Amino acid sequence: TQLLEQSPQFLSIQEGENLTVYCNSSSVFSSLQWYRQEPGEGPVLLVTVVTGGEVKKLKRLTFQFGDARKDSSLHITAAQPGDTGLYLCSTGANSKLTFGKGITLSVRP
Amino acid sequence: DTEVTQTPKHLVMGMTNKKSLKCEQHMGHRAMYWYKQKAKKPPELMFVYSYEKLSINESVPSRFSPECPNSSLLNLHLHALQPEDSALYLCASSRGTSVGNEQFFGPGTRLTVL
Repeated sequence: TQLLEQSPQFLSIQEGENLTVYCNSSSVFSSLQWYRQEPGEGPVLLVTVVTGGEVKKLKRLTFQFGDARKDSSLHITAAQPGDTGLYLCSTGANSKLTFGKGITLSVRP
Repeated sequence: DTEVTQTPKHLVMGMTNKKSLKCEQHMGHRAMYWYKQKAKKPPELMFVYSYEKLSINESVPSRFSPECPNSSLLNLHLHALQPEDSALYLCASSRGTSVGNEQFFGPGTRLTVL
């Protein structure tokens, strides 16, 4: 089982600030997903990264996959209260998704 | 249709009740999943169905009984649950079960066992 470590565990910032959060492992990923989950709702898939060094942008969110495919980062520019939620990274093997413990982000107006 | 739907949204049941959770997708996905999620924790896999056959049971107690009537539907039958079974139950689907297949989640059923 691949262990995914996410950091920081909790983050509380003011609207308009930038932030970067991380998902790391000692194993090589074939692919990695980022999800955002709002309270009481299911996780929503944000992005899948596959190629080492890959950068994907989704509006104010920038996802990067490490060159060695062992880590990933999510950068949010000018955070908005709507970005508040639990951010989960995951990777799949043998029909199973392994999730990190998640990063709880709170953006204050 | 790119949605996974789940009913009911909320469910309160006693320990002697029998109830069912329902999940539906019309994306043509051939793999469907049940997860259990406790507050502030990541989802935990319970069951995987691939081509309507149960392929993974993560040692889930028999008071949870999954059923896949067809490729679009997934049920979870509940009987004699315990208060510690209270959680958010999530259904997900993917095109297949090979590595890299993205899973799409429903909104979940919030279950409370009294």
